[in-house]
Amino acid sequence: NAGVTQTPKFRVLKTGQSMTLLCAQDMNHEYMYWYRQDPGMGLRLIHYSVGEGTTAKGEVPDGYNVSRLKKQNFLLGLESAAPSQTSVYFCASSGGGGAFFGQGTRLTVV
Amino acid sequence: GQQLNQSPQSMFIQEGEDVSMNCTSSSIFNTWLWYKQDPGEGPVLLIALYKAGELTSNGRLTAQFGITRKDSFLNISASIPSDVGIYFCAGTYAGKSTFGDGTTLTVKP
Repeated sequence: NAGVTQTPKFRVLKTGQSMTLLCAQDMNHEYMYWYRQDPGMGLRLIHYSVGEGTTAKGEVPDGYNVSRLKKQNFLLGLESAAPSQTSVYFCASSGGGGAFFGQGTRLTVV
Repeated sequence: GQQLNQSPQSMFIQEGEDVSMNCTSSSIFNTWLWYKQDPGEGPVLLIALYKAGELTSNGRLTAQFGITRKDSFLNISASIPSDVGIYFCAGTYAGKSTFGDGTTLTVKP
């Protein structure tokens, strides 16, 4: 049982480049989330989805876009990466209660 | 937006001691959750609380959902070295989860 899988695990981008982070869950969960975690801080919600085809903004949505075309997948896009987006990104899914998290993607923007 | 105040920020305790941490908010939540995060890993759910006043245990961990729906606490009894890590509270409302900044726990043998 894979749970929540994030791809890639590590990535280095140059300023201005774009990339997509992929999250896949095999638990048939309705809710999916993207968070970022900066050193010494908690998780800040970027975007979330309450079901297939839906997305909503979280606390820090600027500079990011998301899509939930299939129930099991939640994609996070960076159109033009900036150094301020250097962070660890976590995807999570939930059936309505507690969430299950992926292992994280460590992104560095130089 | 919704904000959670989690305290204390860090704790240094002796093995065998009990630990208590809490979260407060100016907003109400439908669900309170407590997670533990180890270095290099994603958070792992410890306890989920769904009703105001609910008191739930998971082994040596006990958590309560405050009556006002604006706060929650987590207690760890008889701490052991593997309790070391960062503990996060999270409140959920209308599908949206907000996290506290975490409590870093260090346990001295």
